Amino acid sequence: QVQLVQSGAEVKKPGSSVKVSCKASGGTFSSYAISWVRQAPGQGLEWMGGIIPIFGTANYAQKFQGRVTITADESTSTAYMELSSLRSEDTAVYYCARDLPPKLGYCSGGSCYGAGAFDIWGQGTMVTVSS
Amino acid sequence: EIVLTQSPATLSLSPGERATLSCGASQSVSSSYLAWYQQKPGLAPRLLIYDASSRATGIPDRFSGSGSGTDFTLTISRLEPEDFAVYYCQQYGSSPLFGQGTKLEIK
Repeated sequence: QVQLVQSGAEVKKPGSSVKVSCKASGGTFSSYAISWVRQAPGQGLEWMGGIIPIFGTANYAQKFQGRVTITADESTSTAYMELSSLRSEDTAVYYCARDLPPKLGYCSGGSCYGAGAFDIWGQGTMVTVSS
Repeated sequence: EIVLTQSPATLSLSPGERATLSCGASQSVSSSYLAWYQQKPGLAPRLLIYDASSRATGIPDRFSGSGSGTDFTLTISRLEPEDFAVYYCQQYGSSPLFGQGTKLEIK
């Protein structure tokens, strides 16, 4: 059974960047999309973007375009999410999540997209942005 | 852009009762790519239902999903104490999107 283990909590200054990792173990990593979802304190879930590791091309929510970079390293079965120009509103728990097999993602027009619900989630990484 | 609206925002029921949660989409959800998640405080969401009506692995059969197009429903046939949580619907695929959530609380 696949498990996703995320890196630890971060405290960052406004204007800086944060990079969160998500390491998969116990199953297939490369073929299914990994998404990043965040949740501000007391708020709902917000999809930020995703990547299909075997293709290496990410797809981002419009809100985060230009500020988020999602990458994946197949050799270590690890996905990364880097968010730049941090502000206090970015204080949130950040989750990675994997698409439910067997739906495989696809690429079109230079972007790659997932196709499944999110069946496996990381434990979450708290990112606090404070001066 | 599709908007998912969940209702009610809060649902107060007692154990043993039936819960009906709704999720409305501003446009038709393609291929019934609609999922439901349960989230308890301090924990990651858990997938309950995918493809609008398929139960995820290990999910009790008191949870069921229905609907198509723009109207979807999650039904919990007989509430257990552990079912009180926040529930989110989600459209997945090329641009995943979540509803704002329904809090199911003990009456």
